[in-house]
Amino acid sequence: GAVVSQHPSWVICKSGTSVKIECRSLDFQATTMFWYRQFPKQSLMLMATSNEGSKATYEQGVEKDKFLINHASLTLSTLTVTSAHPEDSSFYICSAEISTDTQYFGPGTRLTVL
Amino acid sequence: AQTVTQSQPEMSVQEAETVTLSCTYDTSENNYYLFWYKQPPSRQMILVIRQEAYKQQNATENRFSVNFQKAAKSFSLKISDSQLGDTAMYFCAFIDYGQNFVFGPGTRLSVLP
Repeated sequence: GAVVSQHPSWVICKSGTSVKIECRSLDFQATTMFWYRQFPKQSLMLMATSNEGSKATYEQGVEKDKFLINHASLTLSTLTVTSAHPEDSSFYICSAEISTDTQYFGPGTRLTVL
Repeated sequence: AQTVTQSQPEMSVQEAETVTLSCTYDTSENNYYLFWYKQPPSRQMILVIRQEAYKQQNATENRFSVNFQKAAKSFSLKISDSQLGDTAMYFCAFIDYGQNFVFGPGTRLSVLP
């Protein structure tokens, strides 16, 4: 099946710094990628939809200036958590859409903000 | 808005036995897709099975099968011959045309030796 990678798999940073997470579709092109956030023992929450060549669409309640998304190519989307704070600590998962009804998920990135 | 409900936060089953996980959803759409995803301790989301709403036949993938009741908006997952590797969080998910995935809250399944 299709493969989606995320880098880094885990990151620890100091409060106030910015962190970039990459999501790559390795063997297919994805016009649309999605970013999810998952708190411990909870379900996935869609943060934003990333479209190649255009601005991301953010879900209600997600600060677009806080979570910057760039979909620079058909195989790469990046999520930058700006001025991270401890409450941003979470598990972030991306997915890449191969068709309207099929997404492949990355392995996730665990972010810990001290 | 579409919603997905999983009424069983946790379940357990003995190895080699059968277990059924429940899922109900709410939508006004007629064409949509339903999914079951598995999330093991590694946190990687793995697609278990998918069902297209316009197909009456229940989807089956090896030991995994669904009972899709469109009128009741129910989409349960049956795992036969449970294996220790089936221990995971299971998420029911829904998508209709032009929309995004909506995930249920999840059911934590433990397969006991």
